[in-house]
Amino acid sequence: AQSVTQPDIHITVSEGASLELRCNYSYGATPYLFWYVQSPGQGLQLLLKYFSGDTLVQGIKGFEAEFKRSQSSFNLRKPSVHWSDAAEYFCAVGGEKLTFGTGTRLTIIP
Amino acid sequence: DAGVIQSPRHEVTEMGQEVTLRCKPISGHDYLFWYRQTMMRGLELLIYFNNNVPIDDSGMPEDRFSAKMPNASFSTLKIQPSEPRDSAVYFCASSTTNTGELFFGEGSRLTVL
Repeated sequence: AQSVTQPDIHITVSEGASLELRCNYSYGATPYLFWYVQSPGQGLQLLLKYFSGDTLVQGIKGFEAEFKRSQSSFNLRKPSVHWSDAAEYFCAVGGEKLTFGTGTRLTIIP
Repeated sequence: DAGVIQSPRHEVTEMGQEVTLRCKPISGHDYLFWYRQTMMRGLELLIYFNNNVPIDDSGMPEDRFSAKMPNASFSTLKIQPSEPRDSAVYFCASSTTNTGELFFGEGSRLTVL
């Protein structure tokens, strides 16, 4: 069975600081991996995806993620966060059926 | 372009009442998904359709829940009778592929008193 673990429930960073959100997955084959972002009162929006090839993938809003098969991880990074990045971030694995992690809430302090 | 459209955005009802949530997917998308989001259980896939045909309804919690997709531009999720534990945000999402790239609606927040 596929599963996703996001170990950090809540992270607070200062505006302009770097960010890394952790994601570990369990999947029986080569996974399709995703990061979605949810702003308050909104639906989820796809940030980036990994299917195959280059293990460092670029997404929207300046985010990137790195697939590390040996660590079963797909961590999300951003070199400098903006106040508008405050939201909940979900890692997901799968293909036709996605399994989502429990989410990491990101708070930005000025 | 219009995104996925869900209605109502908010619904407050009493236990035992029937609830119908509606979804209009993005035109041309042939996959439609219904998710439920709660604090306790996170995001759960309830059911999904491909070309209007239900493919997997294993996530539907019980017989009180039913979903239909009578045509490519409309789907409903019905709860009858509703219970307080059904209170959640219900999301509809659509996709052109079976590779997990979903477009979500803004959700329907259901409160069952």
